[in-house]
Amino acid sequence: DVKVTQSSRYLVKRTGEKVFLECVQDMDHENMFWYRQDPGLGLRLIYFSYDVKMKEKGDIPEGYSVSREKKERFSLILESASTNQTSMYLCASSPLDRAKQPQHFGDGTRLSIL
Amino acid sequence: AQKITQTQPGMFVQEKEAVTLDCTYDTSDQSYGLFWYKQPSSGEMIFLIYQGSYDEQNATEGRYSLNFQKARKSANLVISASQLGDSAMYFCAMREGLLLQGGKLIFGQGTELSVKP
Repeated sequence: DVKVTQSSRYLVKRTGEKVFLECVQDMDHENMFWYRQDPGLGLRLIYFSYDVKMKEKGDIPEGYSVSREKKERFSLILESASTNQTSMYLCASSPLDRAKQPQHFGDGTRLSIL
Repeated sequence: AQKITQTQPGMFVQEKEAVTLDCTYDTSDQSYGLFWYKQPSSGEMIFLIYQGSYDEQNATEGRYSLNFQKARKSANLVISASQLGDSAMYFCAMREGLLLQGGKLIFGQGTELSVKP
């Protein structure tokens, strides 16, 4: 089974802090994604990566950056956390060239910015 | 612009009955894929079923089936014989093209399903 592991289930940080959310997958997938989930809005794509050191902006990249130094690890960085970044964050991975393959998700990180 | 719409924020169904969750989509692409995910209260996203735009038959996976009407741009999820464990949030998602842009998904707003005993 594909395993996508997010470093924390719950995280509380303060406004202005630099926050790191880590995601590791064990299936050698090329694609990795970061989403945020808010009630009534579904999941919105923040950033994605289809290869090591490659990154592409999603629909809501403002206030976030990402890092992919190794194929299995994709980090989301909140450069200076703000209260409007309180949300559920979900990481996902998928193979590059398999159209029918779903994205596999981690358990999510519920982040609160105080 | 590409869009997924789920018009039912919440639904109730009696245990053992069937339920249909609605999903409509908008795309100008000829090649796309449609996915349904389940999210229990614990938060993990569980893949349920996939339908490709060129698939002639409606997809089925156990108690889940997808009522795909391409001309109407709808991809409704049907759950037969509902169980208490089916209570969860359900998301419809679309991937455009086969592999373009790394296989990005666009998600709907979700439908919260509650199964009554």
